[in-house]
Order: sequence, then C-alpha cells, then structure tokens
Amino acid sequence: NAGVTQTPKFQVLKTGQSMTLQCAQDMNHNSMYWYRQDPGMGLRLIYYSASEGTTDKGEVPNGYNVSRLNKREFSLRLESAAPSQTSVYFCASTAGLYGYTFGSGTRLTVV
Amino acid sequence: GEDVEQSLFLSVREGDSSVINCTYTDSSSTYLYWYKQEPGAGLQLLTYIFSNMDMKQDQRLTVLLNKKDKHLSLRIADTQTGDSAIYFCAARRDSSYKLIFGSGTRLLVRP
Repeated sequence: NAGVTQTPKFQVLKTGQSMTLQCAQDMNHNSMYWYRQDPGMGLRLIYYSASEGTTDKGEVPNGYNVSRLNKREFSLRLESAAPSQTSVYFCASTAGLYGYTFGSGTRLTVV
Repeated sequence: GEDVEQSLFLSVREGDSSVINCTYTDSSSTYLYWYKQEPGAGLQLLTYIFSNMDMKQDQRLTVLLNKKDKHLSLRIADTQTGDSAIYFCAARRDSSYKLIFGSGTRLLVRP
C-alpha cells in the first residue's frame, strides 16, 4: 500500500541550479497535482494533470514545469531555482470526489 | 476565484470538544473536505461532506455545513493529545479538478 511516493524527501539547491521532483502513485488514479506549502499560506496549487496526457497551470506556476510521464508518474521541474522556491512540495492524486491522497512531501531549500 | 479561510490557532484542554471553523466564498463549491497534517508529514483525509448534506458524523468527528452562510465546521469530541496537528479545510467545485485549501488551523491540546 505505497499510495503516493515522492522523491527526494529533502534537497538543498544553490540559486540557479535545476532539479526534478518525482512523484508516483500506484492507485490507478487519473488526476495528479503538485502543491507547495509555505508557513501561514496553506497549500497552493502549482500544476495539475486531470488525466494522462494533459497538464494545466494552477495558482502559482511561474518558475516550474511539469511532465505527466504516464498514468502513474507526474514530475515537477525547477529549471533555475530561486530562494523564493524554498518550500515543502506535495504531490497528490485522486480518482474522483472522495478527497486526494497526498505524498509525504519534499522539503526544498534554495540558498 | 475561490477563497477558503480559517482561524490560525485553537487551544483546548484534553477531554474537551474542539470546534474548527472554515468559510468559503464560492457558492458553487460542491465538495468540502477536512485534512489533518501532523508535524513533518503529508496531509491525511479526515472526512468530507457534499453540498447536499447538512451534517456528517464519523466516530468523534462531526462536520456541519451551513450553505447559506458558506460556513463549515469540524467538531472533535473528547479531544486527545494525539489530535494536536494542523487541520485544513478544502473546497472543490463540481466542474473543477482543483482543490482549494485554507491556510490551516493549528490545534494544540493541553494535558
């Protein structure tokens, strides 16, 4: 019962470096999401994929790109990391109306 | 767009009831959720309610929905120290894949 798996769990980047956050789900869910969590701001949607082959921008997409590699995997890429992207990143998936299943998060620090 | 608001902090004594409140702005929000986040962890779905319901009870949890006032509450009976966490309210429209979160209420349970 893995659910939603995110890698890595922790990462420190220097300003300007790039990296890809990986997310995979084994529940055969159609829709997948990337959120960032910052203190006092709740979770803000970065990008989502309603189904395999589609991606759409959320509230805060600037500085990020995504790839829905297949039904299981949805990756988030930072091309040129900035200190403002220091955050906790959560991937989630859903099959319908009964809430989302979240991964355990990636804690990213950009120095 | 949709906005979801919660108070930031609640402190209760162990054994008392806790009531966490949430308001949302979009009357088209059809699905409403409560999530729990423990320190260093992802979000765990606690319960949900659909807009055609006024109340839902699940063991120690009671959700009340006032559609007229666009107000949602989560009552935790016999609050335990293990209930200390951040609680997020979230809303979703019928026609949307996006889940919009409040900023979270930190519940502290005092012995």
